[in-house]
Amino acid sequence: QKEVEQNSGPLSVPEGAIASLNCTYSDRGSQSFFWYRQYSGKSPELIMFIYSNGDKEDGRFTAQLNKASQYVSLLIRDSQPSDSATYLCAVPISGGYNKLIFGAGTRLAVHP
Amino acid sequence: DTEVTQTPKHLVMGMTNKKSLKCEQHMGHRAMYWYKQKAKKPPELMFVYSYEKLSINESVPSRFSPECPNSSLLNLHLHALQPEDSALYLCASSQLMITTFGSGTRLTVV
Repeated sequence: QKEVEQNSGPLSVPEGAIASLNCTYSDRGSQSFFWYRQYSGKSPELIMFIYSNGDKEDGRFTAQLNKASQYVSLLIRDSQPSDSATYLCAVPISGGYNKLIFGAGTRLAVHP
Repeated sequence: DTEVTQTPKHLVMGMTNKKSLKCEQHMGHRAMYWYKQKAKKPPELMFVYSYEKLSINESVPSRFSPECPNSSLLNLHLHALQPEDSALYLCASSQLMITTFGSGTRLTVV
């Protein structure tokens, strides 16, 4: 059974701080990794994806991938109260269809 | 158009009712999905359609019946549901490994 693990939190950070969200996965063959943000009562929204080892930056968000350690993380710089949400790590299962396996999600709370 | 549109947004149905959830996308994506999400849990895949053919059924009970009338539309027909089927039902479509979710239908079975 392929698994994606996340700390469910809540992760509480002060406004302006860096929030660090972590995810590990079991399938060494996984090639792509996605971070979705989900506000309470809403649907998941894709915010970052990464395919290659190293860092990928988009605005205040940085995704980091280490395939040797089977570890992917999301950093949110200058955290804002509007970043308070559940962040879902997702990994596609190979086989020709983009079947996503999600981690349990980490709930982030940014307090003023 | 970069959206996946789902209707209705909310649905309350009795255990003897028959209802349908609808999903539409105009991004030209050839893969479409139904996911189910219970409260405080991640989404779980139910069905995958690829080029309008059912490709994956994750052992979903027959009281859920998917249908893909054409490349833009995806339906989920519901019949004789149980209260434990109450959840957020998410439609999604994908292309080149990028999956886009609709806003979901919040289903309550009474």
